[in-house]
Amino acid sequence: GAVVSQHPSRVICKSGTSVKIECRSLDFQATTMFWYRQFPKKSLMLMATSNEGSKATYEQGVEKDKFLINHASLTLSTLTVTSAHPEDSSFYICSAEFTYNEQFFGPGTRLTVL
Amino acid sequence: QKEVEQNSGPLSVPEGAIASLNCTYSDRGSQSFFWYRQYSGKSPELIMSIYSNGDKEDGRFTAQLNKASQYVSLLIRDSQPSDSATYLCAVIPQGGSEKLVFGKGTKLTVNP
Repeated sequence: GAVVSQHPSRVICKSGTSVKIECRSLDFQATTMFWYRQFPKKSLMLMATSNEGSKATYEQGVEKDKFLINHASLTLSTLTVTSAHPEDSSFYICSAEFTYNEQFFGPGTRLTVL
Repeated sequence: QKEVEQNSGPLSVPEGAIASLNCTYSDRGSQSFFWYRQYSGKSPELIMSIYSNGDKEDGRFTAQLNKASQYVSLLIRDSQPSDSATYLCAVIPQGGSEKLVFGKGTKLTVNP
């Protein structure tokens, strides 16, 4: 299968700071990447769809000014959580679309905001 | 609202048995169907994709799709304790979007 990496795997930050999470497709080019968040024992929630070279499409209820997404190349998408607060603490996972609509997920980033 | 339904379980089977996981979906025009495995605290891992009616086998896993009944299943043969995880059914509904619609997942426990 295709390999997707995320960095960092874990981050702890103070309230009010911004955190950037990188998502890379390592062995394929991904025109489309997706960002999800998952709270403990809850389902995956799609936050946004990221297309290379264009603006991200956000799901209803997701603040685009708070969760900035940049898909600058065919192998890299970034999610920046701006002015993070404790309620933003979650497991953030990206995925990249390979062939035939298959999405491969990165290992996730666990964000804790103090 | 396009939905994917799964029995939340938990489903418990003895080691060596066949585990059967089921999923129904509401959008009749859906064309792409996936099974993901998610271990606790980890991200989902794609284990099967299926696009046409019938069975698709990969090792100990068999996915079955019946579009007329809007039903997709996953069979795990010779279940192992390492198969204990939450299994997520995901569908891409008709409409041109590549977005996955996930079921809530079935938690499987394989008892040694």
